[in-house]
Amino acid sequence: NAGVTQTPKFQVLKTGQSMTLQCAQDMNHEYMSWYRQDPGMGLRLIHYSVGAGITDQGEVPNGYNVSRSTTEDFPLRLLSAAPSQTSVYFCASSTLGEIGEQFFGPGTRLTVL
Amino acid sequence: GEDVEQSLFLSVREGDSSVINCTYTDSSSTYLYWYKQEPGAGLQLLTYIFSNMDMKQDQRLTVLLNKKDKHLSLRIADTQTGDSAIYFCAESVNTGTASKLTFGTGTRLQVTL
Repeated sequence: NAGVTQTPKFQVLKTGQSMTLQCAQDMNHEYMSWYRQDPGMGLRLIHYSVGAGITDQGEVPNGYNVSRSTTEDFPLRLLSAAPSQTSVYFCASSTLGEIGEQFFGPGTRLTVL
Repeated sequence: GEDVEQSLFLSVREGDSSVINCTYTDSSSTYLYWYKQEPGAGLQLLTYIFSNMDMKQDQRLTVLLNKKDKHLSLRIADTQTGDSAIYFCAESVNTGTASKLTFGTGTRLQVTL
């Protein structure tokens, strides 16, 4: 099992550019989520999904889109990058019955200039 | 509200005990969790406690829960340099459609020789 994988590990964008952060898991988990981590603010939930075809907004969804066409993949799209989106992004997954036991990917460090 | 608060930094000497504290606001949380984040990595679940328990012990880790004061603590006995990391508490909040985790700001534990 590879667990939760994320690509890329690092990315630098210019303001206004768009990009997609990839996330995949091979544990057949129904629940997947995206967080951003900023110094002194912990992890904040961006979007989450409870299964293929179902997504919902978290605490800080503005500027981000998600889709869940398969159980395995949960990409996060930045539509028009802004410096405020400079952060470390984590994808996580779990079974629906064990939301608290989330398995995290290694993270993507994004810098928006 | 769903605020989860922690102090940002704790320094202890190797061999001493560490106590990391957390306060939360959602009294309906069923489980409360402690996650560990090592440098450059994602979060890993360390331990958790069910809300009807006062204490849980797992080898060097002791979790104490004061539900009346909404206070959670993690005690690490005989702290080692390998325990240096950021520790996050988290509570599981039921949003109606699905549960989600709300994380604290994280406490950076520094272990000195």
